[in-house]
Amino acid sequence: EAGVTQSPTHLIKTRGQQATLRCSPISGHTSVYWYQQALGLGLQFLLWYDEGEERNRGNFPPRFSGRQFPNYSSELNVNALELEDSALYLCASSTGLAGGPFQETQYFGPGTRLLVL
Amino acid sequence: AQKVTQAQTEISVVEKEDVTLDCVYETRDTTYYLFWYKQPPSGELVFLIRRNSFDEQNEISGRYSWNFQKSTSSFNFTITASQVVDSAVYFCALSEPYNAGNMLTFGGGTRLMVKP
Repeated sequence: EAGVTQSPTHLIKTRGQQATLRCSPISGHTSVYWYQQALGLGLQFLLWYDEGEERNRGNFPPRFSGRQFPNYSSELNVNALELEDSALYLCASSTGLAGGPFQETQYFGPGTRLLVL
Repeated sequence: AQKVTQAQTEISVVEKEDVTLDCVYETRDTTYYLFWYKQPPSGELVFLIRRNSFDEQNEISGRYSWNFQKSTSSFNFTITASQVVDSAVYFCALSEPYNAGNMLTFGGGTRLMVKP
């Protein structure tokens, strides 16, 4: 069974540009999560989507946004890039809320390394 | 607010030594989940174990074992007879699904270096 996939693996942008990162969840998973791992800041929760809706958002500015498509894949958009957005962006998936508000295990993809110059 | 502390930022051992990675958490919820993930140099987080707050049974999986103690809010991870392939960064994480949605709060990670 295929795991979580992310594209691209690496992305280089300049300040002020926009970046789009993509994630495909494990087959059968309806929840997708985004995390940022910046140097010195650890792993921080960004966004959670389930069944096409944004369910929870971390403490990030509005220029971080995303969406989930009908096939449960997801996109993370970062507008007006800043140097401090350089990080590894990790996507995870899990079975969704249909069975109740309990914590299912999140399985992670390989990440997208974003470098902002 | 939920918080996870991994006080050991870096540990270095020689192959075949046993090593314990500490994890202390803070939560106000009675229902919560604890996780351990391994991050090798490639960057991908590899799931190791999940525990819910009502299950204090310790678990052993091969060379890995976990000690969950609610009384001390700790969820420690022991690798027995460490191997070079165990070298990675290990993260402990907490979620409070009824209070904070399904977000994971991670500790700062412990970098384990196993030398041959």
